[in-house]
Formats: sequence, structure tokens, C-alpha cells
Amino acid sequence: AQSVSQHNHHVILSEAASLELGCNYSYGGTVNLFWYVQYPGQHLQLLLKYFSGDPLVKGIKGFEAEFIKSKFSFNLRKPSVQWSDTAEYFCAVILFSGGYNKLIFGAGTRLAVHP
Amino acid sequence: SQTIHQWPATLVQPVGSPLSLECTVEGTSNPNLYWYRQAAGRGLQLLFYSVGIGQISSEVPQNLSASRPQDRQFILSSKKLLLSDSGFYLCASSAQGIYDGYTFGSGTRLTVV
Repeated sequence: AQSVSQHNHHVILSEAASLELGCNYSYGGTVNLFWYVQYPGQHLQLLLKYFSGDPLVKGIKGFEAEFIKSKFSFNLRKPSVQWSDTAEYFCAVILFSGGYNKLIFGAGTRLAVHP
Repeated sequence: SQTIHQWPATLVQPVGSPLSLECTVEGTSNPNLYWYRQAAGRGLQLLFYSVGIGQISSEVPQNLSASRPQDRQFILSSKKLLLSDSGFYLCASSAQGIYDGYTFGSGTRLTVV
């Protein structure tokens, strides 16, 4: 069955530090991968997605992720975090079947950025 | 654009009581609908999905059930709540056939006491 693993459950950084959140998936076919973010008290929102093409995808707010097929990974990066990046981050993979799709999430990573 | 209305935002229920959480979608027709749960310290787990009225698929065995009485209405229910049903419940929708993004509701935080 498809699954998504996020290795870091809690990450604490100081402002201006670099960020990398790990994500690995298990699925042998074509994958569509996503990173979602949930800021405190807000809805889940899409940070970025990978469907095909350039494996380095850029999202909103300076985030990027690299799809490495050989490693089944889709790590999220940001060169310099800000206090406002404090949130929970979810990696997800989508499964298509017939007329429906299912988004499968990882366990999430809580990021706290200290000023 | 799609909007999901989900209520209530917060709910405290005693063990053994029934549950009904409602989700309605605006701005689209014939969507795929989903119920997710986020338990404390765990990620978002898909509970149910629906591709049409009366069509419900369950992802995990549990004490909960779902129903879709209308195209844009999705209900999560339980006859008798357990302590382990506590968590954050999210409703989501997506377009049929192709992935065009998920829209999420604001969620319901359920505490079973």
C-alpha cells in the first residue's frame, strides 16, 4: 500500500537557519507529490507540488522541494526560515484510481522558528 | 472556487454519546469528498471517501460511519463515541477524474471525555 514517511516530527530552528524536512514515499508507479502547510489556526494550504518535469519544484514563500526518484524522496527545503514559517508541514502522495483520487499524508512535522 | 463549510468547530462529547459532523461544499458539483482525522501526535489519516451520492468507501475499520445524502453534503457519524475517537476531523473535496487540488474545511476538534 502507498505510504508516506516524514522522519522529523518536531524541528526547532532559529531565524535565518536553513531548513530541510525529509519525506519518503513507497509506491512503485507514477507519483504525484505534495507539501502542505498548516499555520496555527488556519486551513491546510498547498505549498508546492510535483507531477512531472523538472524534479526541483518551487513553491510559495520561498520553499522548494526536490523529487529524487532513486531515493523515493521529496524533501522540502528553505534556505533561510522566518518566525512566520512556524507551522505544521505535511508531505503527501496522491493515488489515482478510476474516477477518484486519494491524498495520502505523512505524519507531519511541527516546525518552531525562534526569533 | 470551492468553499467547504464544516461545523461545529469544537465539540466535547461524553463516551457513549452519538456524533454527527456535517460538511457542505459550495462552488462545485459532483466532487469527491473525504473525511480525514488527525489524532494527537499523528498525521492526517484518511477515514472515508465518496465519489457520489450514497457511495462511501471506508479506509480503516473504526467506530465511525459516513453518509452522503446529497451531492455536496458529507456527514460523519457515530452511534457511541469512544475515547479513541478524539481528534481533529477535516473534510476535503476534490474534482472528479483529475487532480485539480484539494480544498479543506476548517476542521472540527472533537474531545471525547
